Amino acid sequence: NAGVMQNPRHLVRRRGQEARLRCSPMKGHSHVYWYRQLPEEGLKFMVYLQKENIIDESGMPKERFSAEFPKEGPSILRIQQVVRGDSAAYFCASSPTSSDTEAFFGQGTRLTVV
Amino acid sequence: KNQVEQSPQSLIILEGKNCTLQCNYTVSPFSNLRWYKQDTGRGPVSLTIMTFSENTKSNGRYTATLDADTKQSSLHITASQLSDSASYICVVSVRQAGTALIFGKGTTLSVSS
Repeated sequence: NAGVMQNPRHLVRRRGQEARLRCSPMKGHSHVYWYRQLPEEGLKFMVYLQKENIIDESGMPKERFSAEFPKEGPSILRIQQVVRGDSAAYFCASSPTSSDTEAFFGQGTRLTVV
Repeated sequence: KNQVEQSPQSLIILEGKNCTLQCNYTVSPFSNLRWYKQDTGRGPVSLTIMTFSENTKSNGRYTATLDADTKQSSLHITASQLSDSASYICVVSVRQAGTALIFGKGTTLSVSS
């Protein structure tokens, strides 16, 4: 049973481009969480999704950021028109049921905006 | 406001020594408390998870304690090794329908020889 898989591990984008970050949860996990970690900062919650549903997006910036978790395929975190301040590590976690159960993290995608 | 505070922010110890990391939280309603270890450039890895009724839980050289009355937790590392150098993150789960994971900022531990 592979762990949570994130790709790419490193992503470089020029200002104004779009960034797409992918997260494949562990087998059997239907809950996905996205977090952002700025340098020297803790993990900050962005969005919580179940299959085809956004449960909580209170941590998502109102503009340029969107997330989805389709019935088939990985969860996607999409950042449009990236700016330098979007440079960070983006982590995905998955759990089998609710957040009462243990969440397993992927290795993260490090986004650098140049 | 749900918050998780960790101390110290950073810690340097000699290999072989013990250390204790602290976590205070103001989270309600409480569901469980987790400690994660995050190596530089890697994703967090779970060390322990404790519910309201559990006072202590061990995972090898790592022992976590929980005092639900005072809303404090500690992570004790015994006989530290160089590989223990990492960030240790305290995470409290809130019993609610939404996301419910409140993260501390972590304690950065450096073990030197």
